[in-house]
Amino acid sequence: AQSVTQLGSHVSVSEGALVLLRCNYSSSVPPYLFWYVQYPNQGLQLLLKYTTGATLVKGINGFEAEFKKSETSFHLTKPSAHMSDAAEYFCAVRGFSGGYQKVTFGTGTKLQVIP
Amino acid sequence: DTEVTQTPKHLVMGMTNKKSLKCEQHMGHRAMYWYKQKAKKPPELMFVYSYEKLSINESVPSRFSPECPNSSLLNLHLHALQPEDSALYLCASSQVTQGHEQYFGPGTRLTVT
Repeated sequence: AQSVTQLGSHVSVSEGALVLLRCNYSSSVPPYLFWYVQYPNQGLQLLLKYTTGATLVKGINGFEAEFKKSETSFHLTKPSAHMSDAAEYFCAVRGFSGGYQKVTFGTGTKLQVIP
Repeated sequence: DTEVTQTPKHLVMGMTNKKSLKCEQHMGHRAMYWYKQKAKKPPELMFVYSYEKLSINESVPSRFSPECPNSSLLNLHLHALQPEDSALYLCASSQVTQGHEQYFGPGTRLTVT
């Protein structure tokens, strides 16, 4: 079985400040981890993914995430927040559940950027 | 082309209506998915098609009927829906093998009156 926990359903940062969105996962097999962003009334857009190899993953729009196996974490960061970053962010893990591949999403974190 | 398209963008239907949602991708993906997303919640998996065959049905009520006519198209037929079925319905596609991300369409906002 697998699960994802996103700490903080709402995060507020000032424009230009560091963005840190937290994600912890549980998986019985090596996980494939993803961060998606969703703007209002739109679909999900992939920000970045970790499968194997380098544990620091760079994505689009200046975001990056670090896979830490010992901490079972995959936190998303961006050095300087921009107003356009305001959106809902979902962490997800893809693994096996019930005998088939399945993507499990976290409950989401809404990022507010204050001017 | 990494686009998944969905039509219609918005749909309002009565509880006795029959309607269909459509999804299309041309990325050569052989896995396609339907998700339901309620406000302020993550997407919930409904169905998975792999190589045009239904491989996963997450105990979805029979008033939702999926169809995969070919490797590029995915439909969701709706009949006798309830107001609680109002939601954003998202289609996604991916390669079948592990480690590959899902590409999502923009969704259909469904309102059942």
